[in-house]
Amino acid sequence: KAGVTQTPRYLIKTRGQQVTLSCSPISGHRSVSWYQQTPGQGLQFLFEYFSETQRNKGNFPGRFSGRQFSNSRSEMNVSTLELGDSALYLCASSSKGATYEQYFGPGTRLTVT
Amino acid sequence: DQQVKQNSPSLSVQEGRISILNCDYTNSMFDYFLWYKKYPAEGPTFLISISSIKDKNEDGRFTVFLNKSAKHLSLHIVPSQPGDSAVYFCAASGRSGGYQKVTFGTGTKLQVIP
Repeated sequence: KAGVTQTPRYLIKTRGQQVTLSCSPISGHRSVSWYQQTPGQGLQFLFEYFSETQRNKGNFPGRFSGRQFSNSRSEMNVSTLELGDSALYLCASSSKGATYEQYFGPGTRLTVT
Repeated sequence: DQQVKQNSPSLSVQEGRISILNCDYTNSMFDYFLWYKKYPAEGPTFLISISSIKDKNEDGRFTVFLNKSAKHLSLHIVPSQPGDSAVYFCAASGRSGGYQKVTFGTGTKLQVIP
């Protein structure tokens, strides 16, 4: 089985711009979650989608949004980028849900200048 | 409010010895706990999990212990190998607002010295 893939792997954006990240889960997995990782903060949960429905959301501002398509692929969008949004964004998929064993992609490294 | 805490940012252990990574949590609603390992430039990899109805779960060299009264869990790696050098995250999940939520700790960087 192919693993979780994320595109792009690296991205440089300017403050004020918007960005869209993409995630393709493991085949058959209906749960896709997004996390932000910054030094010293661990993995901060952004949101989880299950069968195209957002079923949980972390404590991030409305500038962070996502969606899931019928083939379980997911996108995450960040509007009006701020310098503090520079981070590694990880996507994870699961057959059961975010609270069980998850399979992570390699992440997208976003740098905001 | 960090509900899952890994108070040791780093740990160094000699090859062949035991590595003990600790994790504390504050929320009694957590009922399922997981450990993940992360190498640089890769996403985290699931290691082992434990339900709150158990106090121990073992998988090869990895054992997780759960002390619910102390709200503490630990991961034991025996014997430690250089390939175990990575950042280890503990995670806790429980029901909140009608859904199961997962919260990760900040990670402990383990270095196994050959």
